[in-house]
Amino acid sequence: DQQVKQNSPSLSVQEGRISILNCDYTNSMFDYFLWYKKYPAEGPTFLISISSIKDKNEDGRFTVFLNKSAKHLSLHIVPSQPGDSAVYFCAASLTSGTYKYIFGTGTRLKVLA
Amino acid sequence: DTAVSQTPKYLVTQMGNDKSIKCEQNLGHDTMYWYKQDSKKFLKIMFSYNNKELIINETVPNRFSPKSPDKAHLNLHINSLELGDSAVYFCASSPHRGTYTEAFFGQGTRLTVV
Repeated sequence: DQQVKQNSPSLSVQEGRISILNCDYTNSMFDYFLWYKKYPAEGPTFLISISSIKDKNEDGRFTVFLNKSAKHLSLHIVPSQPGDSAVYFCAASLTSGTYKYIFGTGTRLKVLA
Repeated sequence: DTAVSQTPKYLVTQMGNDKSIKCEQNLGHDTMYWYKQDSKKFLKIMFSYNNKELIINETVPNRFSPKSPDKAHLNLHINSLELGDSAVYFCASSPHRGTYTEAFFGQGTRLTVV
């Protein structure tokens, strides 16, 4: 039973354009959401996060949007750069109770020069 | 100065063997985790320790035994290795339970059982 889903396994975008990566979750108790970036043969690295009390968080070229009613979040990268090519994982957690990060299956982003 | 380091990075071993993966974090974090990334690239939590105490055990076969000698270390021992154990294992750490913080990951250990 996968509580965090990324339905697009891959995405290709032209350099300079916007990349939009999507993530859906099923557990309405999740209160913290994160995006990680992963290059081959490396561990995931934290990119940006958002708590459930917000609907938007921005950090430079990266913006995360949270729609709690739809149980959906998205990561916008603008402008996309070739160095952004990686696998992006969405994760969710509950800050109370048993604390763990639950990951989606990832979306492979390819930014074309 | 690596924040979360795992050794070894690659491990090839035969079925039936016993092996260990070590993890150390120098971030002063209270909580450490083991995640498994299988062939479908799904990152699934296996164990979590908080201040050396096991707090999460996600229905992992008891051939897998984590050990936390202190807050900075979380090792994973696997007995009687099976082909299906082949995966990439990631160690991670985070500051506290109950706070909005991210987990920091090691570079992973690619285990291949032949």
